Order: sequence, then C-alpha cells, then structure tokens
Amino acid sequence: DIQMTQSPSSLSASVGDRVTITCRASQSIGSSLNWYQQKPGKAPKLLLYAASSLQSGVPSRFSGTGSGTDFTFTISSLQPDDLATYFCQHSHSIPWTFGQGTKVEI
Amino acid sequence: QVQLQQSGPGLVKPSQTLSLTCAISGDSVSSNSVAWNWIRQSPSRGLEWLGRTYYRSKWYNEYAISVKSRITINADTSKNQFSLQLNSVIPEDTAVYYCGREFTAGGPNWFDPWGQGTLVTVSS
Repeated sequence: DIQMTQSPSSLSASVGDRVTITCRASQSIGSSLNWYQQKPGKAPKLLLYAASSLQSGVPSRFSGTGSGTDFTFTISSLQPDDLATYFCQHSHSIPWTFGQGTKVEI
Repeated sequence: QVQLQQSGPGLVKPSQTLSLTCAISGDSVSSNSVAWNWIRQSPSRGLEWLGRTYYRSKWYNEYAISVKSRITINADTSKNQFSLQLNSVIPEDTAVYYCGREFTAGGPNWFDPWGQGTLVTVSS
C-alpha cells in the first residue's frame, strides 16, 4: 500500500496568515493527490483534486502544488471558517489511502 | 446536485453483522463514470478505505485486504442505493462510517460527495 505522510499534525495560526501543509507519498503517484477539509462532526469535503485543481465552489485562497511524491497545500490568507482538519488522499492505485490529517487552529 | 443519505443502526453486538445503506440522489448507482465507496474513520486508524462497487457493463467490487474476508458491498438498482455489510464485527470496528462517490472519468479519481457519516459502536 502507498503510505501518505502529512506534516505538521497540527498548527496554530492567525487570521490572514499563510498556512502550508505538506503531504509525502511513499512512492511516486504522479498528480493523483486530493485534499479534503473536515470540520468537527462533519464529513470530509473535497477542496482540490489532481494535486492542484480547485473543486467548483471552493474559495481561491486554497491551492495545491506538487507531483511525484511531494505535495503542498496552501491557504493563502487564513479565515475563521477554515478551522478544520485537512487530509490528503492518493488515487494512484487501490487501495486508496489517506494522510493522518493536519488540524488547523486559529 | 448529488447527495448521499446514509442509514443503519449505530450499535452492533460483537460477532454480529454491521449493515449500512447509502441512498443516492442526483446520480445513478449504475453510472459508468463513478464508483461507490465505503470509508471509515476512527481515532486509532484514521481514514480507512474499505471498498467499492461500480458498474462497467457488469458489476465489480474491490475491497481492502484488512476486511476482505468479512465485507460485502452491493448495489441495488431498483432503489438507487448501495450497501455495506461487515461480518463478525469486533470492538475495533467501532468507527464513523462514510459512503462516498468516487469520480472516475479518466485520470485521477476523487471522492465527492460523502454521506453524512454514521457512528457505529461495536459493544455488547
């Protein structure tokens, strides 16, 4: 199975800060990397797919880059509504696996 | 807009069968460009993909090795829904279970949307 390692596991930032989360795959996955946001008590919500494509309706302050094994997720200007846990997930080959999550506190 | 609505019991006794259903609106369970997945989440295991079913001229199923001997995912075209059965449950199967649509129309895949989640507790 492909292992996904996220860092950091948690972070605290202020409104307006730039926030960066990294995700590393245990083998090359091309651009088959998705990012999700999960708010407390809710299901995950797709933010970005194929490493850098913004899902319809998602604010443009969210962005992603990377390919191969190393990926970055960025919130350009943190907003109070961004309090959540963020997960990466690969879709290179079955079984799909997820990173352990990054909890963003404000 | 596609929506997934989960239903099923929140408490299952050890050794019994966990059964959940995911009703689909806004899409067809027989669509050729998607797959229908079950994923669970627990503090100890994080987000764990369990398996999927999809239709490409016939029905296919794929399961995670960790549950392969105990899991069945079925589609019901008459009700436009799919289901999860996990046999011989143990306390470690306690988790929030999600259904999810996987978009598969060429290139990378992704999950969108997800069901609302069902907390299933395995306890006597």
